[in-house]
Amino acid sequence: ETGVTQSPTHLIKTRGQQVTLRCSSQSGHNTVSWYQQALGQGPQFIFQYYREEENGRGNFPPRFSGLQFPNYSSELNVNALELDDSALYLCASSRGGVDQPQHFGDGTRLSIL
Amino acid sequence: RKEVEQDPGPFNVPEGATVAFNCTYSNSASQSFFWYRQDCRKEPKLLMSVYSSGNEDGRFTAQLNRASQYISLLIRDSKLSDSATYLCVVNARAYNTDKLIFGTGTRLQVFP
Repeated sequence: ETGVTQSPTHLIKTRGQQVTLRCSSQSGHNTVSWYQQALGQGPQFIFQYYREEENGRGNFPPRFSGLQFPNYSSELNVNALELDDSALYLCASSRGGVDQPQHFGDGTRLSIL
Repeated sequence: RKEVEQDPGPFNVPEGATVAFNCTYSNSASQSFFWYRQDCRKEPKLLMSVYSSGNEDGRFTAQLNRASQYISLLIRDSKLSDSATYLCVVNARAYNTDKLIFGTGTRLQVFP
């Protein structure tokens, strides 16, 4: 069984740039959620995708957007990067909704200069 | 008030000790509860779900008190390998969005 994989592992960007992070879900999982984890904090829910549609969103501005593909993989796009966007971005897949165990990838560490 | 509150710790305990972590949540409509474990610079991993009647998995026992909106995790006979951050997680539903709310985590350090 292939686990959740994320790419890239690390990324450095400057303010105002745009970034795309990628996630391949665990086999058999049809739901992908994205989280932002700042240093010393718990993961914060960004949004969830199910059947290629956004299925829920946390308190993040519209410059955070995403996609899910027919093979259930997903992308997180962030436009107009700000210094506060520096964080670990985690993708989690599950069979169904948030009441199911979430299987996390290793994350992408994004640094904004 | 934070939606999920935990004592950040750190809890420093010797091997073999029993340690308990507490967590409170604000949304009385929450239905799903979990404890996740996160090692330093690693991803969170599910430790156990928390059921209304309480549940046990080896050395780990989770309890839920819906009336007080309180969740606990008890670790018996602590091992060095238990050193990690323990995240309390609760689902929240608002405006047809069902999402997981993570606490900031409680750090446990087990020493020899």
